[in-house]
Amino acid sequence: EAQVTQNPRYLITVTGKKLTVTCSQNMNHEYMSWYRQDPGLGLRQIYYSMNVEVTDKGDVPEGYKVSRKEKRNFPLILESPSPNQTSLYFCASRRSLYEKLFFGSGTQLSVL
Amino acid sequence: ILNVEQSPQSLHVQEGDSTNFTCSFPSSNFYALHWYRWETAKSPEALFVMTLNGDEKKKGRISATLNTKEGYSYLYIKGSQPEDSATYLCAPNAGGTSYGKLTFGQGTILTVHP
Repeated sequence: EAQVTQNPRYLITVTGKKLTVTCSQNMNHEYMSWYRQDPGLGLRQIYYSMNVEVTDKGDVPEGYKVSRKEKRNFPLILESPSPNQTSLYFCASRRSLYEKLFFGSGTQLSVL
Repeated sequence: ILNVEQSPQSLHVQEGDSTNFTCSFPSSNFYALHWYRWETAKSPEALFVMTLNGDEKKKGRISATLNTKEGYSYLYIKGSQPEDSATYLCAPNAGGTSYGKLTFGQGTILTVHP
Protein backbone atom coordinates (compact mmCIF):
# COMPACT_ATOMS: atom_id res chain seq x y z
CA GLU A 1 0.00 0.00 0.00
CA ALA A 2 1.33 3.41 -0.99
CA GLN A 3 1.81 5.47 2.12
CA VAL A 4 3.74 8.01 4.14
CA THR A 5 4.59 6.67 7.59
CA GLN A 6 5.33 8.97 10.50
CA ASN A 7 6.44 7.93 13.96
CA PRO A 8 5.58 8.40 16.71
CA ARG A 9 1.90 9.44 16.59
CA TYR A 10 2.09 11.06 20.00
CA LEU A 11 5.10 12.35 21.89
CA ILE A 12 5.42 14.16 25.19
CA THR A 13 8.85 15.46 26.08
CA VAL A 14 10.60 18.09 28.16
CA THR A 15 12.34 21.28 27.14
CA GLY A 16 15.84 20.71 25.79
CA LYS A 17 15.66 16.97 25.24
CA LYS A 18 16.62 16.21 21.64
CA LEU A 19 14.08 14.28 19.62
CA THR A 20 13.57 12.94 16.12
CA VAL A 21 10.29 12.39 14.30
CA THR A 22 10.72 9.89 11.51
CA CYS A 23 9.05 9.99 8.10
CA SER A 24 9.25 7.35 5.42
CA GLN A 25 7.49 6.97 2.05
CA ASN A 26 7.31 3.89 -0.16
CA MET A 27 6.29 5.62 -3.41
CA ASN A 28 9.75 6.60 -4.64
CA HIS A 29 8.77 10.26 -4.41
CA GLU A 30 11.48 12.83 -4.96
CA TYR A 31 9.83 15.64 -3.00
CA MET A 32 9.22 15.49 0.77
CA SER A 33 8.26 18.17 3.26
CA TRP A 34 7.35 18.87 6.87
CA TYR A 35 4.48 21.02 8.16
CA ARG A 36 3.21 22.09 11.52
CA GLN A 37 -0.41 22.82 12.30
CA ASP A 38 -1.34 25.34 14.98
CA PRO A 39 -4.83 26.65 15.77
CA GLY A 40 -5.58 29.80 13.83
CA LEU A 41 -2.34 29.59 11.84
CA GLY A 42 -3.03 26.81 9.36
CA LEU A 43 -0.45 24.41 7.98
CA ARG A 44 2.96 26.04 7.82
CA GLN A 45 5.90 24.55 5.96
CA ILE A 46 9.03 23.89 8.04
CA TYR A 47 11.45 22.34 5.54
CA TYR A 48 11.28 20.62 2.21
CA SER A 49 13.53 18.41 0.12
CA MET A 50 13.61 18.19 -3.64
CA ASN A 51 15.79 15.07 -3.67
CA VAL A 52 18.51 13.23 -1.78
CA GLU A 53 20.91 15.68 -0.11
CA VAL A 54 18.82 18.66 -1.34
CA THR A 55 16.89 20.47 1.40
CA ASP A 56 15.65 24.00 1.85
CA LYS A 57 13.86 26.11 4.42
CA GLY A 58 10.13 26.60 4.42
CA ASP A 59 8.37 29.43 6.21
CA VAL A 60 9.08 28.41 9.83
CA PRO A 61 12.44 26.57 9.97
CA GLU A 62 13.79 28.01 13.23
CA GLY A 63 14.51 25.34 15.83
CA TYR A 64 14.33 22.43 13.38
CA LYS A 65 16.79 20.39 11.35
CA VAL A 66 16.22 17.86 8.60
CA SER A 67 18.31 15.48 6.55
CA ARG A 68 17.69 13.51 3.38
CA LYS A 69 20.32 10.80 3.11
CA GLU A 70 18.01 8.34 1.41
CA LYS A 71 15.14 9.00 -0.95
CA ARG A 72 12.52 7.32 1.22
CA ASN A 73 13.36 8.95 4.58
CA PHE A 74 13.08 12.55 5.76
CA PRO A 75 13.44 12.82 9.55
CA LEU A 76 12.63 16.00 11.48
CA ILE A 77 15.06 16.77 14.28
CA LEU A 78 14.45 19.08 17.22
CA GLU A 79 17.86 19.58 18.83
CA SER A 80 16.55 21.48 21.85
CA PRO A 81 12.76 21.48 21.89
CA SER A 82 10.91 24.37 23.48
CA PRO A 83 7.24 24.70 24.52
CA ASN A 84 6.48 26.85 21.46
CA GLN A 85 7.20 23.79 19.33
CA THR A 86 4.19 22.02 20.81
CA SER A 87 2.16 21.34 17.70
CA LEU A 88 0.72 18.79 15.30
CA TYR A 89 3.32 17.84 12.70
CA PHE A 90 2.74 16.36 9.25
CA CYS A 91 5.17 14.87 6.81
CA ALA A 92 4.18 14.78 3.15
CA SER A 93 5.61 13.63 -0.16
CA ARG A 94 4.85 13.94 -3.86
CA ARG A 95 6.25 12.57 -7.08
CA SER A 96 6.78 15.92 -8.77
CA LEU A 97 5.91 19.59 -8.35
CA TYR A 98 2.81 19.19 -10.54
CA GLU A 99 1.37 16.42 -8.43
CA LYS A 100 -0.56 16.15 -5.20
CA LEU A 101 0.87 15.73 -1.74
CA PHE A 102 0.42 12.52 0.22
CA PHE A 103 0.33 13.17 3.95
CA GLY A 104 1.42 11.04 6.86
CA SER A 105 -0.95 10.46 9.76
CA GLY A 106 0.57 13.21 11.89
CA THR A 107 2.59 13.48 15.10
CA GLN A 108 1.14 15.33 18.07
CA LEU A 109 4.10 16.75 20.00
CA SER A 110 3.89 18.29 23.46
CA VAL A 111 6.96 19.98 24.92
CA LEU A 112 6.66 20.64 28.65
CA ILE B 1 5.85 34.29 2.95
CA LEU B 2 3.12 34.02 0.34
CA ASN B 3 -0.16 35.69 1.33
CA VAL B 4 -2.97 33.19 0.81
CA GLU B 5 -6.51 34.10 1.79
CA GLN B 6 -9.48 31.79 1.94
CA SER B 7 -13.05 32.90 2.41
CA PRO B 8 -15.29 32.43 4.15
CA GLN B 9 -13.52 31.13 7.27
CA SER B 10 -16.49 28.92 8.07
CA LEU B 11 -19.77 28.00 6.49
CA HIS B 12 -22.88 26.21 7.70
CA VAL B 13 -25.23 24.84 5.07
CA GLN B 14 -28.16 22.46 4.92
CA GLU B 15 -27.96 19.09 3.23
CA GLY B 16 -28.66 19.53 -0.46
CA ASP B 17 -27.42 23.12 -0.65
CA SER B 18 -24.71 24.01 -3.14
CA THR B 19 -21.84 26.10 -1.90
CA ASN B 20 -18.56 27.64 -2.97
CA PHE B 21 -15.39 28.96 -1.40
CA THR B 22 -12.65 31.29 -2.61
CA CYS B 23 -8.88 31.09 -2.48
CA SER B 24 -6.89 34.25 -3.28
CA PHE B 25 -3.16 34.25 -3.88
CA PRO B 26 -0.47 36.45 -5.50
CA SER B 27 -0.77 36.10 -9.26
CA SER B 28 2.91 36.69 -9.89
CA ASN B 29 5.37 33.79 -9.70
CA PHE B 30 2.59 31.21 -9.85
CA TYR B 31 3.34 27.54 -10.48
CA ALA B 32 0.35 25.46 -9.39
CA LEU B 33 -2.67 25.58 -7.07
CA HIS B 34 -3.63 22.70 -4.79
CA TRP B 35 -6.94 21.98 -3.04
CA TYR B 36 -7.13 19.60 -0.08
CA ARG B 37 -9.92 18.24 2.06
CA TRP B 38 -9.19 17.74 5.76
CA GLU B 39 -11.52 15.84 8.03
CA THR B 40 -11.18 16.05 11.79
CA ALA B 41 -8.68 13.53 13.24
CA LYS B 42 -7.47 12.57 9.77
CA SER B 43 -4.76 13.79 7.40
CA PRO B 44 -5.38 16.20 4.52
CA GLU B 45 -6.30 14.49 1.25
CA ALA B 46 -5.78 16.00 -2.17
CA LEU B 47 -8.74 17.07 -4.27
CA PHE B 48 -7.12 18.86 -7.20
CA VAL B 49 -3.85 20.24 -8.52
CA MET B 50 -4.37 22.95 -11.11
CA THR B 51 -1.77 24.69 -13.22
CA LEU B 52 -3.29 26.45 -16.23
CA ASN B 53 -5.27 29.66 -16.31
CA GLY B 54 -8.90 28.80 -16.96
CA ASP B 55 -8.37 25.23 -15.74
CA GLU B 56 -11.45 23.43 -14.43
CA LYS B 57 -11.35 20.18 -12.49
CA LYS B 58 -14.19 17.96 -11.31
CA LYS B 59 -14.43 15.05 -8.90
CA GLY B 60 -17.96 13.85 -8.29
CA ARG B 61 -19.95 16.74 -6.82
CA ILE B 62 -16.86 18.87 -6.24
CA SER B 63 -15.34 21.10 -8.89
CA ALA B 64 -12.77 23.88 -9.00
CA THR B 65 -11.76 26.69 -11.32
CA LEU B 66 -8.55 28.66 -11.57
CA ASN B 67 -7.74 32.21 -12.63
CA THR B 68 -3.98 32.72 -12.51
CA LYS B 69 -4.06 36.23 -14.00
CA GLU B 70 -6.09 37.67 -11.15
CA GLY B 71 -4.93 35.18 -8.53
CA TYR B 72 -7.97 33.27 -7.38
CA SER B 73 -9.56 29.84 -7.41
CA TYR B 74 -13.10 28.74 -6.59
CA LEU B 75 -14.14 25.41 -5.14
CA TYR B 76 -17.77 24.37 -5.67
CA ILE B 77 -19.72 21.64 -3.94
CA LYS B 78 -23.03 20.71 -5.54
CA GLY B 79 -25.75 19.23 -3.35
CA SER B 80 -23.75 19.19 -0.10
CA GLN B 81 -23.97 16.08 2.06
CA PRO B 82 -23.10 15.71 5.77
CA GLU B 83 -20.02 13.70 4.78
CA ASP B 84 -18.71 16.78 2.96
CA SER B 85 -18.20 18.41 6.37
CA ALA B 86 -14.47 19.15 6.58
CA THR B 87 -11.91 21.91 6.31
CA TYR B 88 -11.02 22.78 2.73
CA LEU B 89 -7.50 24.04 2.20
CA CYS B 90 -5.94 25.69 -0.80
CA ALA B 91 -2.20 25.98 -1.37
CA PRO B 92 -0.47 27.86 -4.18
CA ASN B 93 2.91 26.53 -5.20
CA ALA B 94 5.31 29.36 -5.94
CA GLY B 95 7.62 29.25 -8.94
CA GLY B 96 11.13 30.47 -9.54
CA THR B 97 13.68 29.85 -6.81
CA SER B 98 10.86 29.05 -4.34
CA TYR B 99 9.30 26.28 -6.40
CA GLY B 100 9.53 23.82 -3.54
CA LYS B 101 7.39 25.99 -1.28
CA LEU B 102 3.73 25.18 -0.87
CA THR B 103 1.90 27.75 1.27
CA PHE B 104 -1.46 26.76 2.73
CA GLY B 105 -4.34 29.08 3.43
CA GLN B 106 -6.07 28.84 6.80
CA GLY B 107 -8.93 26.94 5.26
CA THR B 108 -12.71 27.11 5.04
CA ILE B 109 -14.53 25.00 7.61
CA LEU B 110 -17.68 23.54 6.07
CA THR B 111 -20.45 22.06 8.21
CA VAL B 112 -23.35 20.40 6.42
CA HIS B 113 -26.42 19.92 8.59
CA PRO B 114 -28.77 16.98 7.86
